[in-house]
Amino acid sequence: DAGVIQSPRHEVTEMGQEVTLRCKPISGHNSLFWYRQTMMRGLELLIYFNNNVPIDDSGMPEDRFSAKMPNASFSTLKIQPSEPRDSAVYFCASSSQGGGYNEQFFGPGTRLTVL
Amino acid sequence: GENVEQHPSTLSVQEGDSAVIKCTYSDSASNYFPWYKQELGKRPQLIIDIRSNVGEKKDQRIAVTLNKTAKHFSLHITETQPEDSAVYFCAANTDKLIFGTGTRLQVFP
Repeated sequence: DAGVIQSPRHEVTEMGQEVTLRCKPISGHNSLFWYRQTMMRGLELLIYFNNNVPIDDSGMPEDRFSAKMPNASFSTLKIQPSEPRDSAVYFCASSSQGGGYNEQFFGPGTRLTVL
Repeated sequence: GENVEQHPSTLSVQEGDSAVIKCTYSDSASNYFPWYKQELGKRPQLIIDIRSNVGEKKDQRIAVTLNKTAKHFSLHITETQPEDSAVYFCAANTDKLIFGTGTRLQVFP
């Protein structure tokens, strides 16, 4: 198995631009998580899906952030418009069981820099 | 909701010494407690986990202990090696994982 796949690995954009991050979970996993990691705030859960349905989006910082999971093998996290404070590493993770009951496998992350 | 506190934030040890990282949690319903290791520039990876029906679990040089009454759990690394240098995160579950703030462990040769 290739593990969780994320793209792009690095993204540099200018303030105000739209950013789309992509994730392919491990085949057969039915839970998908989006995290943001910064030095100041650590590892924050933004949103998670069970069986493609958003379960908890309480971590999404504001309306500029949105996430979708149109099918079991693909999810996107979109930021529109982006701001410098959105600069962080964004991780996608997947798990074979819902919620927090099993190991979560993290992707390599997308390092986002907003100028 | 669940709150996880982790100490210390940084830890420096000499190679061969032991390292202990401690976490406390607030939700007595939590029943899964994983530990993740994150090397510089890499993704977090699970190194060991424990469920609430077990008090201790060991895997070679690493062990985790759980005290459900006191709501705390600890990671123990024995005979530390330079490659153990990383950031370690504890977590506790509700319907999702709540992570601690991380401990930066440095092992000096």
